[in-house]
Amino acid sequence: DADVTQTPRNRITKTGKRIMLECSQTKGHDRMYWYRQDPGLGLRLIYYSFDVKDINKGEISDGYSVSRQAQAKFSLSLESAIPNQTALYFCATSDPDRGRETQYFGPGTRLLVL
Amino acid sequence: GQNIDQPTEMTATEGAIVQINCTYQTSGFNGLFWYQQHAGEAPTFLSYNVLDGLEEKGRFSSFLSRSKGYSYLLLKELQMKDSASYLCAVRDPGNTPLVFGKGTRLSVIA
Repeated sequence: DADVTQTPRNRITKTGKRIMLECSQTKGHDRMYWYRQDPGLGLRLIYYSFDVKDINKGEISDGYSVSRQAQAKFSLSLESAIPNQTALYFCATSDPDRGRETQYFGPGTRLLVL
Repeated sequence: GQNIDQPTEMTATEGAIVQINCTYQTSGFNGLFWYQQHAGEAPTFLSYNVLDGLEEKGRFSSFLSRSKGYSYLLLKELQMKDSASYLCAVRDPGNTPLVFGKGTRLSVIA
């Protein structure tokens, strides 16, 4: 079974709709992240959380919100989707107690906003 | 903050050796990572350097020079399955997430 899972894997929505992307992990890591990836722009950080009570904005948080419901769950919401939010979204986790603190990524959610 | 530069694309021949460079300008440094990402898939961890020198792992090696703000990933005996994007990422000291470069798309041709 995958350690970091994302649902849905693919989503098509319309401009103005609210959608939620979900991330769950069984790695027992405290730290979780949401990135988006666009062709030519690489991975850009949206939000991150170092524990259940900690939420931090990343490089491109406008138009997004997050919820850390439990250590294992971190959700990303688009309150009113717009076409330029079409992208590949990745959730990631890390463990600060493990020396180099490698980030582990989920399989991604491909979002298309029409 | 961090500024990370890598070539956008590279092409190499099956069986050959390729070197992918990464330069970074940082206000601090606490480690450099290389990830591999096949098209449409998640990035997967390849290597980590925090001290100067070469780290070897099978066909892949990664080098770091902290004084020059420079790293490279060396792939030997290239295989078609090595066609992927290779992402360089740097960590600042303190509680900050990784900052990723835009990635280098490597195409391995026969």
